[in-house]
Amino acid sequence: DIQLTQSPSFLSASVGDRVTITCRASQGISSYLAWYQQKPGKAPKFLIYAASTLQSGVPSRFSGSGSGTEFTLTISSLQPEDFATYYCQQLQNYPITFGQGTRLEIK
Amino acid sequence: EVQLVGSGGGLVQPGGSLRLSCAASGFTLSDHYMDWVRQAPGKGLEWVGRTRNKANSYTTEYAASVKGRFTVSRDDSKNSLCLQMNSLKTEDTAVYYCARVATVVTHGLDSWGQGTLVTVSS
Repeated sequence: DIQLTQSPSFLSASVGDRVTITCRASQGISSYLAWYQQKPGKAPKFLIYAASTLQSGVPSRFSGSGSGTEFTLTISSLQPEDFATYYCQQLQNYPITFGQGTRLEIK
Repeated sequence: EVQLVGSGGGLVQPGGSLRLSCAASGFTLSDHYMDWVRQAPGKGLEWVGRTRNKANSYTTEYAASVKGRFTVSRDDSKNSLCLQMNSLKTEDTAVYYCARVATVVTHGLDSWGQGTLVTVSS
């Protein structure tokens, strides 16, 4: 199985900050990586696919990059609504796997 | 508007069975692969299983943790997806989400249901 390791697991930041979350895969997954945002008590929301393409309607302050085994999700200027948990997901092989999540909280 | 509405969750004893349903609307179900994803209380997301679309013969894939106990099925004529869960264990306690796989399968899960809670406890 392909393991995804996100870092950090917890991040404290302020409105207006630029933050970066890293997702590392245990083997190469080309660009078959997606990112999701989840708020407490809600279903995940699809943010980015193919490592770097924003889903329709996602604000441009979100960006993704990477290929192979190392990927990043960057939020250029944090807004109050961005405080949530973020997950990466690989779609290269079965079983499909998620990272353990990065919880982004207000400082 | 794409909508996925899950139902069927509840309390079940270890070793018991439960059938979850997901009603789909706003898109042509037969065109899409569909997934189930679960989330144990306070934990991360875990992919459970997938049914491919009509063009791919509705074949299925499962996580090792549920293979042989869970079955994903669908009825495109009724716009519905099901997850039959047998031989339930306490570790199956979670919120279960149905999710639509994007048209390009390797892109991810582009729409999610609201989730339904399954509690396995004696």
